[in-house]
Amino acid sequence: EADIYQTPRYLVIGTGKKITLECSQTMGHDKMYWYQQDPGMELHLIHYSYGVNSTEKGDLSSESTVSRIRTEHFPLTLESARPSHTSQYLCASSELGTSLGAQFFGPGTRLTVL
Amino acid sequence: SQQGEEDPQALSIQEGENATMNCSYKTSINNLQWYRQNSGRGLVHLILIRSNEREKHSGRLRVTLDTSKKSSSLLITASRAADTASYFCAPLTQGGSEKLVFGKGTKLTVNP
Repeated sequence: EADIYQTPRYLVIGTGKKITLECSQTMGHDKMYWYQQDPGMELHLIHYSYGVNSTEKGDLSSESTVSRIRTEHFPLTLESARPSHTSQYLCASSELGTSLGAQFFGPGTRLTVL
Repeated sequence: SQQGEEDPQALSIQEGENATMNCSYKTSINNLQWYRQNSGRGLVHLILIRSNEREKHSGRLRVTLDTSKKSSSLLITASRAADTASYFCAPLTQGGSEKLVFGKGTKLTVNP
C-alpha cells in the first residue's frame, strides 16, 4: 500500500464555506496531482505540481487552488464551496525515475456541499 | 498526454472465469499502465508495460502491448469476487509531461 494520505475522508459542508482538503505523501515524490471524479465517471486532472513552489492547472477548469510549500504536502482549497463542487477528490504522486511515472493514489475525499 | 480508451465499458463474469479488457490509444508511448479502482476508493497501480515489451505477467494478471496497433489488453485469470472493480489504462506519452489521462474504465463484476 502506497504511503499517501488524504484527510478528511468524508466532508459534508454548507454552501459558502471555505475548505481545505489535505494530501500528504512520505515517498519523497516530486510530482503530485489532484483529480476530481464523479461516481462511475472518468478522473479529471484539476491541478498538478512538479515540485516545491510549482503548481499548474490541469485539464479540467476548477475553482479550487493548491499550494506546494513542502515536498510531501499538496493541499487543495476551495474558498467558497458550492453544490457543484460535490464530488470525490483524489490525490496522487509519482516519480519518473525508477517507477517510470506510475502514480500512487490516496483513498480520496468525498465532498458533499449542501 | 493522451487518454486511453477502455473496452468494453462493462463486463460481468462468473467466479473462476477469465476477464479480458482492452485499451486503445493514439500516439507513441513511453509506457502503458493499468490501474484498479474499487468503488469509492483511490486507484491502485497494477502493472506497467514499457513500449519495448510485448507481454508482462504479475500474479493472475497478464498484460500485452501491440504498439503497431496502439492497443493493450489486460487479462485476469481465474477471477474472484474480490476482483470486482473498475479498471483503467493510462498511456504515458513519449516525451510528454508525465501527466496521465484516465478514461471511463471497464467496470468488471465477478459474480460468486
